[in-house]
Amino acid sequence: DAGVIQSPRHEVTEMGQEVTLRCKPISGHNSLFWYRQTMMRGLELLIYFNNNVPIDDSGMPEDRFSAKMPNASFSTLKIQPSEPRDSAVYFCASTLRRGGRWDQPQHFGDGTRLSIL
Amino acid sequence: AQTVTQSQPEMSVQEAETVTLSCTYDTSESDYYLFWYKQPPSRQMILVIRQEAYKQQNATENRFSVNFQKAAKSFSLKISDSQLGDAAMYFCAYRSAGSSNYKLTFGKGTLLTVNP
Repeated sequence: DAGVIQSPRHEVTEMGQEVTLRCKPISGHNSLFWYRQTMMRGLELLIYFNNNVPIDDSGMPEDRFSAKMPNASFSTLKIQPSEPRDSAVYFCASTLRRGGRWDQPQHFGDGTRLSIL
Repeated sequence: AQTVTQSQPEMSVQEAETVTLSCTYDTSESDYYLFWYKQPPSRQMILVIRQEAYKQQNATENRFSVNFQKAAKSFSLKISDSQLGDAAMYFCAYRSAGSSNYKLTFGKGTLLTVNP
């Protein structure tokens, strides 16, 4: 079975440019998470979707960050305009929430390494 | 809020030997899940093993096993017969089982080096 698929694997762009990261969750999963990983702060949850609806975006750093999930098989994380401090590895993860219980692990994609020059 | 502590920033082990990575957590809940994730240099986040708090039996996955001490809030990972491919950053993680608790709380990680 295919795991969580993220693209691109690497992104290098100049400050001020728009960046779009993409994620395809595991088929059948109803919950999707975006994380950011940095040396200083470790893994931070940015946003959580359940059944394509954003439930908690309190981790989104600022208005420059936005995320969408137009359908069950696709999500995007957009940064506009990008800044050097946004440089990090961004992970997408998905899981299945059954009967209101969180008994399944989150499966992570390979991450996107983002470098803003 | 729950916290996860990994007190060993770095560990090393000789190939074929056994190593134990420590993890402690703080929670007031009784129903939760614990996980170990492995992040090799390729940066994938790979689930290694998980433990349900309501199960007394320690989880085992091939060469990987845990020592879950609920009263002590300890969840260590033992890697037997260490292989070069085990070299990675290992993260311990906690998640409540409650319906409103979706957040996965990670420790800061332990970097494991395997020496040939």
